[in-house]
Amino acid sequence: DAGITQSPRHKVTETGTPVTLRCHQTENHRYMYWYRQDPGHGLRLIHYSYGVKDTDKGEVSDGYSVSRSKTEDFLLTLESATSSQTSVYFCAISQREGDTQYFGPGTRLTVL
Amino acid sequence: DAKTTQPPSMDCAEGRAANLPCNHSTISGNEYVYWYRQIHSQGPQYIIHGLKNNETNEMASLIITEDRKSSTLILPHATLRDTAVYYCIVSRNNNAGNMLTFGGGTRLMVKP
Repeated sequence: DAGITQSPRHKVTETGTPVTLRCHQTENHRYMYWYRQDPGHGLRLIHYSYGVKDTDKGEVSDGYSVSRSKTEDFLLTLESATSSQTSVYFCAISQREGDTQYFGPGTRLTVL
Repeated sequence: DAKTTQPPSMDCAEGRAANLPCNHSTISGNEYVYWYRQIHSQGPQYIIHGLKNNETNEMASLIITEDRKSSTLILPHATLRDTAVYYCIVSRNNNAGNMLTFGGGTRLMVKP
């Protein structure tokens, strides 16, 4: 987890509220990723970024948006949280295309 | 993407070698085999990766069959701290980054 932090680490919110999760890196890596992890599904890619202001969708992007205005920060936003978005969210980074990904400590989100 | 098949769980005695198999029969020529592990409630941790040659680092060895349709991760002297879920992943490269698709993994239990 060195060089990657996620905030908050835990959050409980209500259905319909907006939520923003933050991933911050100090490694100056170009690529950043958001995954969610649910029992029986392993980790699934939500969105990723390949540079400042450059993002693309992953496998399970519906209901999520992302932004990257600085190299070090990648934000994941749930515009209107639903109970199906209760999950553990992991951020990952990689230096170059095809490089190994390194993961943050995760954010546990509960939507009531 | 090439998919992987792993046994859902394995046991290993402390101090013995742990051999974790993975099948990836649909792997294509430019896809790498990655291994990660996840200790309870933590972010996935990178272990090792390879293309076609066997690889070794301070954590483990990776043996890839000549036809590349399967591989084995070897932890040479398993300790209780190696108890974790181990994920075998085949990478999917495109011009925007290396996205990892995590399956269910193998839950390795190291017993004293």
